[in-house]
Amino acid sequence: GQQVMQIPQYQHVQEGEDFTTYCNSSTTLSNIQWYKQRPGGHPVFLIQLVKSGEVKKQKRLTFQFGEAKKNSSLHITATQTTDVGTYFCADNNYGQNFVFGPGTRLSVLP
Amino acid sequence: NAGVTQTPKFRVLKTGQSMTLLCAQDMNHEYMYWYRQDPGMGLRLIHYSVGEGTTAKGEVPDGYNVSRLKKQNFLLGLESAAPSQTSVYFCASSLTGARLPQHFGDGTRLSIL
Repeated sequence: GQQVMQIPQYQHVQEGEDFTTYCNSSTTLSNIQWYKQRPGGHPVFLIQLVKSGEVKKQKRLTFQFGEAKKNSSLHITATQTTDVGTYFCADNNYGQNFVFGPGTRLSVLP
Repeated sequence: NAGVTQTPKFRVLKTGQSMTLLCAQDMNHEYMYWYRQDPGMGLRLIHYSVGEGTTAKGEVPDGYNVSRLKKQNFLLGLESAAPSQTSVYFCASSLTGARLPQHFGDGTRLSIL
């Protein structure tokens, strides 16, 4: 079946540094959704990307969908301690359900 | 407006015991999902439902059964619990279709001894 990969698995940054996580698939992705899960919490929807080459911004967060729709990225500018958590991408697999990547865990040192 | 509510929040079972996890949503969503989350493996879909009375298998359905008798409720059953089913279980719902955001419950932490 479809596999969605994410790199890196872990990232430790100093507060104020930038952070990027990448979501990749060997097959063409349908629609990509990004979620954030705080430690001990549940995933919370951040954004959805649909079109090839799409770029969306939410304050310090920038989301991109690759031109070939085989990858996506989430970039955080000037991280803050509130950015701590695990970031997941999920593809809706051209159907009714989702395939999640394994996530990137972000730690931010104050 | 409670959103998605999961009960119980924690449970410890012995191998071979059975139990049912309840998910309730008050947003009139059509689609509901059950996931399990294990360390380093993200969320894996167990079963899902696209409407009242419907269910479908996800990526890891073995050892679980589900029912969606009412639109607002999605039940996940373990008939004979095994230690490999120790995990955190999340329920989610979306209004219609997989192109809309999923709203997750707070999760159920289940340990099988």
